Amino acid sequence: QKEVEQNSGPLSVPEGAIASLNCTYSDRVSQSFFWYRQYSGKSPELIMSIYSNGDKEDGRFTAQLNKASQYVSLLIRDSQPSDSATYLCAVRDSSASKIIFGSGTRLSIRP
Amino acid sequence: DADVTQTPRNRITKTGKRIMLECSQTKGHDRMYWYRQDPGLGLRLIYYSFDVKDINKGEISDGYSVSRQAQAKFSLSLESAIPNQTALYFCATSGDSNTGELFFGEGSRLTVL
Repeated sequence: QKEVEQNSGPLSVPEGAIASLNCTYSDRVSQSFFWYRQYSGKSPELIMSIYSNGDKEDGRFTAQLNKASQYVSLLIRDSQPSDSATYLCAVRDSSASKIIFGSGTRLSIRP
Repeated sequence: DADVTQTPRNRITKTGKRIMLECSQTKGHDRMYWYRQDPGLGLRLIYYSFDVKDINKGEISDGYSVSRQAQAKFSLSLESAIPNQTALYFCATSGDSNTGELFFGEGSRLTVL
């Protein structure tokens, strides 16, 4: 079982709609969770981090964490064409040393 | 200038050749990482280092070695390159053990023929 799993997509969402990206992880002791965005041909950049159960909102982005279900998600409201990218879920392992990435979900916002 | 600089940005080499990818940073971070990215596989950790005297293997260290020459420099070597090491390689730094924000270089695309 992979440590961090994501649906590879592509996920196609109409402009203005909500995009929902999901991620599960295997290490129950993990405490830190992240979403990175990567545009084609570019390096990843951090867009959200979450450490406690519940929701964390930042502008159009909301990260949701459920440690009991080992599940973290990212919602993008009012999706824009500029949101088209690959979204990488990442988890800091229980030793707090390594950051492990999922395989990424490719998101396409259609006009 | 970029805070995390990788050289070379692109390299084509032949099977069996020795290759070194270099990474330097001006962010003053102690933690440095090398990741490899393949289509559909996300980022996989090769090696990481928390200071000059600390080197740790990641998920896929076989066939690779690293050197932390200084706080600001972390090099990745392929002693004898093989075609399945063709990938996009990223160096990253992190300054805080509690946040997990990684700052990435622009990547080094390596092709092994």
